[in-house]
Amino acid sequence: DGGITQSPKYLFRKEGQNVTLSCEQNLNHDAMYWYRQDPGQGLRLIYYSQIVNDFQKGDIAEGYSVSREKKESFPLTVTSAQKNPTAFYLCASSMDLKQTQYFGPGTRLLVL
Amino acid sequence: QKEVEQNSGPLSVPEGAIASLNCTYSDRGSQSFFWYRQYSGKSPELIMFIYSNGDKEDGRFTAQLNKASQYVSLLIRDSQPSDSATYLCAVKTLTGGGNKLTFGTGTQLKVEL
Repeated sequence: DGGITQSPKYLFRKEGQNVTLSCEQNLNHDAMYWYRQDPGQGLRLIYYSQIVNDFQKGDIAEGYSVSREKKESFPLTVTSAQKNPTAFYLCASSMDLKQTQYFGPGTRLLVL
Repeated sequence: QKEVEQNSGPLSVPEGAIASLNCTYSDRGSQSFFWYRQYSGKSPELIMFIYSNGDKEDGRFTAQLNKASQYVSLLIRDSQPSDSATYLCAVKTLTGGGNKLTFGTGTQLKVEL
């Protein structure tokens, strides 16, 4: 059963804490992306990766970090430097940067 | 001016009617156009994409693109209550660093019984 999985579904962060969101895909896609969605706003690109061991900043990368050690995995860390982390985080993947993007189920991050 | 603009709605249509969702974009270099459907609390799912001027039909859905007017629309025929969702328009533009996908804020559609 091919697809994109994200975990956890809900995540709670305390002040000053770093948290990591998981994204895994078994679609054999080269490109992976992280977006953030806030109420009343469009999806905003945080980071993207077109190939293993390579990633690029998107429009709102400050306070976030990523790694791409495996083709299947693209975890996102929300650091304590991100002052307004409450949002719905969406991971997506595509065959390459030119192809259609497909989304995982999302992780909702809340601050305690 | 926003790069991709959509009316936030809600757009209310009766069951069985045609729902028309509109999107305008600012970059004339935009190459491809996508419609995603997003149910409340869920992630976006791809409905259709279109690259060329004109209409593209897939079942009850028709995407229309007019590059001269920088306008893309989605028509939903025989609207059903299950079509009630937010519809996101996304535009792909070739930039110096590669391809960029820009999303509108979405139009909320309500199909009423």
